[in-house]
Amino acid sequence: DVKVTQSSRYLVKRTGEKVFLECVQDMDHENMFWYRQDPGLGLRLIYFSYDVKMKEKGDIPEGYSVSREKKERFSLILESASTNQTSMYLCASSENVNTEAFFGQGTRLTVV
Amino acid sequence: DAKTTQPPSMDCAEGRAANLPCNHSTISGNEYVYWYRQIHSQGPQYIIHGLKNNETNEMASLIITEDRKSSTLILPHATLRDTAVYYCIVNKGNEKLTFGTGTRLTIIP
Repeated sequence: DVKVTQSSRYLVKRTGEKVFLECVQDMDHENMFWYRQDPGLGLRLIYFSYDVKMKEKGDIPEGYSVSREKKERFSLILESASTNQTSMYLCASSENVNTEAFFGQGTRLTVV
Repeated sequence: DAKTTQPPSMDCAEGRAANLPCNHSTISGNEYVYWYRQIHSQGPQYIIHGLKNNETNEMASLIITEDRKSSTLILPHATLRDTAVYYCIVNKGNEKLTFGTGTRLTIIP
């Protein structure tokens, strides 16, 4: 069975902390994505990666960075967490062309 | 990628067919129509996708108009478990996958 695993389901961090959200997929997919989801705003794309060491900005990259050193792992980094980054974060992966994306269960991050 | 327009919410009686519309009037020839749904507190789940022909799988049917400017997702016999937010997306199958705010479907007993 296809699996996208996010390292934490719930996370509480302090303002100014550096935060790492980890995502691992076991399907050898080329593409990986990070989204955040807030009430009334739907899913918004933060960053995506179409290959190891490659990354592209999504719609709301400000305040975030990403790392993809290995094909199966895509990390989202909050360099200095702020309260407006409190959100649900979702990771996804897909094969390269015209195939569906598979999502993790999400990480609910609270920045206090 | 082309944008999509969906109604913010819909209700459907349990056991009836749920028909969820989506407008994508700026769709280009090589863009596919995808549908996902998100049940509360879970990550989105893929349902179905198509290019220009109608498609059916074990979950749903996808009807795409001949001009491809709109489509309808059909859940043939809706159950309470189908209550979710449904997202319609058009995508070339390239890297970027952008969601909107979707349609909140409520199945009423």
